[in-house]
Amino acid sequence: GENVEQHPSTLSVQEGDSAVIKCTYSDSASNYFPWYKQELGKGPQLIIDIRSNVGEKKDQRIAVTLNKTAKHFSLHITETQPEDSAVYFCADDSGGGADGLTFGKGTHLIIQP
Amino acid sequence: EPEVTQTPSHQVTQMGQEVILRCVPISNHLYFYWYRQILGQKVEFLVSFYNNEISEKSEIFDDQFSVERPDGSNFTLKIRSTKLEDSAMYFCASWTGLSLGYTFGSGTRLTVV
Repeated sequence: GENVEQHPSTLSVQEGDSAVIKCTYSDSASNYFPWYKQELGKGPQLIIDIRSNVGEKKDQRIAVTLNKTAKHFSLHITETQPEDSAVYFCADDSGGGADGLTFGKGTHLIIQP
Repeated sequence: EPEVTQTPSHQVTQMGQEVILRCVPISNHLYFYWYRQILGQKVEFLVSFYNNEISEKSEIFDDQFSVERPDGSNFTLKIRSTKLEDSAMYFCASWTGLSLGYTFGSGTRLTVV
């Protein structure tokens, strides 16, 4: 079955520094790669996504890069702020929209003041 | 901004009892999902629903689980005879079927005692 590996499980950075979270996937048919942010007691919230025909996408301080050859994609957060502290999940969706997402195990991002 | 609404936010039930978790997806969305997240673990796909029928289900979604869209707005998950290991956060999600990712609800915390 399909697998999504996510690293690191915990990431602590100083406020203002950048954070990078990496994911790898196994199914070469995967073509949609979202990133979700989950705050304590809340549901996952989509923060950015990328499709397989694009190598990079940026939205203000958040960017995602995709390397289809290597089957990995990364989330980049620049100028981190305390409100960025949360658990971040990567996912992919190899079967199209009707099928479920496969999530990584999550990264607990801690922004140190 | 449109939201996926889930009720109740927390449900406690005795082992062997039936529970129904309720969701109101975003009104113009066509695809509906249930996911589960055991405490401290990743989000796991349970089932997807489109055009008034299940389109895909995971191994977790066994005969004890069922879903229903009883009217034009609600989407329910029923667990017929709850087990201790069913204790988890259950998230409903919906999707337009076009661009952008799924929208998740805030979840129902199910505690089986």
